[in-house]
Amino acid sequence: GESVGLHLPTLSVQEGDNSIINCAYSNSASDYFIWYKQESGKGPQFIIDIRSNMDKRQGQRVTVLLNKTVKHLSLQIAATQPGDSAVYFCAETDSGAGSYQLTFGKGTKLSVIP
Amino acid sequence: KAGVTQTPRYLIKTRGQQVTLSCSPISGHRSVSWYQQTPGQGLQFLFEYFSETQRNKGNFPGRFSGRQFSNSRSEMNVSTLELGDSALYLCASSYPATRPRAGELFFGEGSRLTVL
Repeated sequence: GESVGLHLPTLSVQEGDNSIINCAYSNSASDYFIWYKQESGKGPQFIIDIRSNMDKRQGQRVTVLLNKTVKHLSLQIAATQPGDSAVYFCAETDSGAGSYQLTFGKGTKLSVIP
Repeated sequence: KAGVTQTPRYLIKTRGQQVTLSCSPISGHRSVSWYQQTPGQGLQFLFEYFSETQRNKGNFPGRFSGRQFSNSRSEMNVSTLELGDSALYLCASSYPATRPRAGELFFGEGSRLTVL
């Protein structure tokens, strides 16, 4: 079936460096994409989202890039901090489907080295 | 403003038993979704309720069921538990009208179920 996947299961970065987490999606009907952060023992926390009519969106220290041609999504975290250590999930949804169902990727574990 | 509250946070059951999990959404939110999270399968959609009606259901057996009450609180039930049902069950609430906005989806801390 169609699903969202990730290229890298783990990522280790030095504190202060930039992090890039990648995600591939396959559902051509998906028009809304979200990145979530999940810390140990907690539920997923919304980071940033992007609609399919955009190719870039910036937040505070985070940027999401969407390449619809190759069905690729990435999350960039600037000046990575120890508090950024967590598992990051991309998720997709068809916002016109009439109900709220997210398809999540498998997740990438980000470890920040102090 | 209180977040999404899930109870119980942890529970242990044995095979064949049943379990009921509860979710209280953020005040004013009318949609409640449930997800199962396991190391092997990741986060998978179970079902979504809006105004006491199930709007969508994921690919899970009929042992998994849910309901939503008039105050938007939701429960999910798993009958005849199997070892593979051990997971973190996450509830998420949102306030969608006709066109859902993903930015409004808030997750609870989850209920961790262990089946022995």
